[in-house]
Amino acid sequence: DTGVSQNPRHKITKRGQNVTFRCDPISEHNRLYWYRQTLGQGPEFLTYFQNEAQLEKSRLLSDRFSAERPKGSFSTLEIQRTEQGDSAMYLCASSRDRTSGNTIYFGEGSWLTVV
Amino acid sequence: AQSVTQLGSHVSVSEGALVLLRCNYSSSVPPYLFWYVQYPNQGLQLLLKYTSAATLVKGINGFEAEFKKSETSFHLTKPSAHMSDAAEYFCAVISSIGNEKLTFGTGTRLTIIP
Repeated sequence: DTGVSQNPRHKITKRGQNVTFRCDPISEHNRLYWYRQTLGQGPEFLTYFQNEAQLEKSRLLSDRFSAERPKGSFSTLEIQRTEQGDSAMYLCASSRDRTSGNTIYFGEGSWLTVV
Repeated sequence: AQSVTQLGSHVSVSEGALVLLRCNYSSSVPPYLFWYVQYPNQGLQLLLKYTSAATLVKGINGFEAEFKKSETSFHLTKPSAHMSDAAEYFCAVISSIGNEKLTFGTGTRLTIIP
């Protein structure tokens, strides 16, 4: 396993700009998750995919957020018209199909700072 | 519904002393439980997990945790703290059926005193 890969690792953007993060999951993992983590807090679930299908979205995922996984491999998370409150670390994770509590592996995260 | 409560947002122990990080969970169905560690500016690394097999689970770096259904707890312990253990620790729960997402606690920052 090469691990879950995320890029860019850090992004500084001006308020109102759009940003996109990419996640490459562990190969053969058909589940992919996005979480958001702010300073001093635990990660919060945003959305997850089973292959290319987006099966659940958190209410935290406002209309300005969109996630895709077009071919069931890598995924992108786009934030439109960024706001300062979007500043956080965005974590991607992946796992195999659910059997007996399959481990969910996390990437290194993508830090977003909105100025 | 599922939730996790981590008691103590900050814990300090002396090097060589016992580490005990507390986690209590709530789940309407049998849970799977996890401990993750996060070093500064990094993602989360799995320490150990409970998936309904042995109630005492051993993980990496000398950590272990015991699932106690009667107490709805999954506390993390290590007999002897090392300086390299200084990090943020997160307990997380996922349902064994249905709900597909991990729910995390707010974390415990572990400081090791030389």
